[in-house]
Amino acid sequence: DTAVSQTPKYLVTQMGNDKSIKCEQNLGHDTMYWYKQDSKKFLKIMFSYNNKELIINETVPNRFSPKSPDKAHLNLHINSLELGDSAVYFCASSQGTFTQPQHFGDGTRLSIL
Amino acid sequence: DAKTTQPNSMESNEEEPVHLPCNHSTISGTDYIHWYRQLPSQGPEYVIHGLTSNVNNRMASLAIAEDRKSSTLILHRATLRDAAVYYCILRDVRGGSNYKLTFGKGTLLTVNP
Repeated sequence: DTAVSQTPKYLVTQMGNDKSIKCEQNLGHDTMYWYKQDSKKFLKIMFSYNNKELIINETVPNRFSPKSPDKAHLNLHINSLELGDSAVYFCASSQGTFTQPQHFGDGTRLSIL
Repeated sequence: DAKTTQPNSMESNEEEPVHLPCNHSTISGTDYIHWYRQLPSQGPEYVIHGLTSNVNNRMASLAIAEDRKSSTLILHRATLRDAAVYYCILRDVRGGSNYKLTFGKGTLLTVNP
């Protein structure tokens, strides 16, 4: 069983469109994250939710809006897509304490035409 | 988060041990040392973490210097599947953002057959 699953795996769309990426974890964790990996392979945190509450919101344009309907899901909606949004987006989860490892999905590769 | 320094790349032969170094000279007393790795086209994967004592698990060993200013991830017998980017990350238990992982450039490990 996949622990952290993201859909879709690939997303190709045009500039200006709105798109969503879904993430689900079946590990029973209470904390979920979105990370962005750019073309230079740097991984950076975007958001984190703990028990459905936003706890980390890094410097991300407000075109990006996370939504956590329950502890097992954290979706990412992106409005008015721009060329610079092309990247791989990773979802992750952990059980809240800092020592617990984070489990990552396999990523969603977003390409903006 | 305290900074870590790792070599950009390392090479190893299959079935030989690999020692991946990490320098963290500004580490604080409450920083845990975490290692993750990212295989090609996959999300990061937790490897091991420690505070002061050396740690072993089924994947690797972590050797921490007595002054904690450096650490070494040890893969006892490298396999082709161990070819990945290895990240050394410090996580401070005190900080409000202690949930997030701050990734650097990591070390690209190549394993030769």
